[in-house]
Amino acid sequence: QVQLKETGPDLVQLTQTLSITCTVSGFSLTTYNVHWVRQPPGKGLEWMGAMWNGGGTDYNSAFKSRLSISRDTSKSQVFLKMNSLQTDDTAKYFCARGAYGSYDYWGQGVMVTVSS
Amino acid sequence: DIQMTQSPASLSASLGETVTIECRASEDIYNGLAWYQQKPGKSPQLLIYNANSLHTGVPSRFSGSGSGTQYSLKINSLQSEDVASYFCQQYYDYPYTFGAGTKLELK
Repeated sequence: QVQLKETGPDLVQLTQTLSITCTVSGFSLTTYNVHWVRQPPGKGLEWMGAMWNGGGTDYNSAFKSRLSISRDTSKSQVFLKMNSLQTDDTAKYFCARGAYGSYDYWGQGVMVTVSS
Repeated sequence: DIQMTQSPASLSASLGETVTIECRASEDIYNGLAWYQQKPGKSPQLLIYNANSLHTGVPSRFSGSGSGTQYSLKINSLQSEDVASYFCQQYYDYPYTFGAGTKLELK
């Protein structure tokens, strides 16, 4: 069945780089898109960016040049990397499968705290 | 960016009641709208896509409607398991944006 699972650190130091891996199963990254969405504690959802099935990417300009998304199709993995972390980057980070714009499957998320 | 204004922010309703949540987009999003349910500590679950299409496995008491800039999610005959937060999302244009959410509680 379709599954997505995020793995990454619980804690990242201020100004350091965050790296999260989304490992998918039950579908191919060359058929479906995978998006990254984050949610600060007690708040709403924010779209970060997408890895398209063709290998291209799109980013929310709110993250300027801090954000990078890549993939390894042989391992069914999508990677998020974001540098210069600030305390307001503390959030739960989700990867989700794109289905014509909406997200039909989500990972369980990884809660990342940025510590000073 | 397209702004999604969701209302109400919170809602208290009784079992069996009908509930409606609204989302207004800052411009026409041509039915590029989804609704999600999120329970505490869990990831969002897709309920409705393309404004009015029910996702596989979602109970038929959930329905979506609307067009242009105005959209709504209706829950008929509220059940205890419907207690959750609900979010709308537009995917007509980048960056995709979400409403701030509606927290639904039982009265």
